[in-house]
Amino acid sequence: DVKVTQSSRYLVKRTGEKVFLECVQDMDHENMFWYRQDPGLGLRLIYFSYDVKMKEKGDIPEGYSVSREKKERFSLILESASTNQTSMYLCASSIAGGTGLINYGYTFGSGTRLTVV
Amino acid sequence: AQSVTQLDSQVPVFEEAPVELRCNYSSSVSVYLFWYVQYPNQGLQLLLKYLSGSTLVESINGFEAEFNKSQTSFHLRKPSVHISDTAEYFCAFMNTGFQKLVFGTGTRLLVSP
Repeated sequence: DVKVTQSSRYLVKRTGEKVFLECVQDMDHENMFWYRQDPGLGLRLIYFSYDVKMKEKGDIPEGYSVSREKKERFSLILESASTNQTSMYLCASSIAGGTGLINYGYTFGSGTRLTVV
Repeated sequence: AQSVTQLDSQVPVFEEAPVELRCNYSSSVSVYLFWYVQYPNQGLQLLLKYLSGSTLVESINGFEAEFNKSQTSFHLRKPSVHISDTAEYFCAFMNTGFQKLVFGTGTRLLVSP
């Protein structure tokens, strides 16, 4: 069974800490995405990557950075965590374009619920 | 601006009743349309999609959605819901030629006995 695995299900961090959220996929997908999910706001795209060492900003990149050193791994970094970054973070991956992408869509991980205190 | 609107944040229904979850999109180009479902404490799963052809698409668990180009809508329906359908449902679209999904704000379906 193909998977997107997020390393932590729940995480509690202190304000000002540097936080790493890890995501690994075993489907050899080119595209990877980080979203945050908040009640009433749906899913908002933070960053995405179409290839190794490539990244593009999404709709809400402020306060975040990403790293993709290997195809299967996409890390989200909170440089200095703040309480307004308390949220559910979802990682997703997909095939790069074409019929494969539109037929199978995105595959999501189970999410990391981050609380910043 | 390109966007997806889900008009209802929460829809409570009784078991075996019919339900419709509404979705409207705004885009100046052709789109692919999707419904995703998120069960409690899980990630999102693809429920069904409209790519082309027949405007009525169905899922394996009894949901269906109809693409209406003139009304720019893609409403999700089920004639008889089960308790196990309790979840959050997200409508999304992808512009043809792009690789990013744009999501709506979600509708929480609450099915009670």
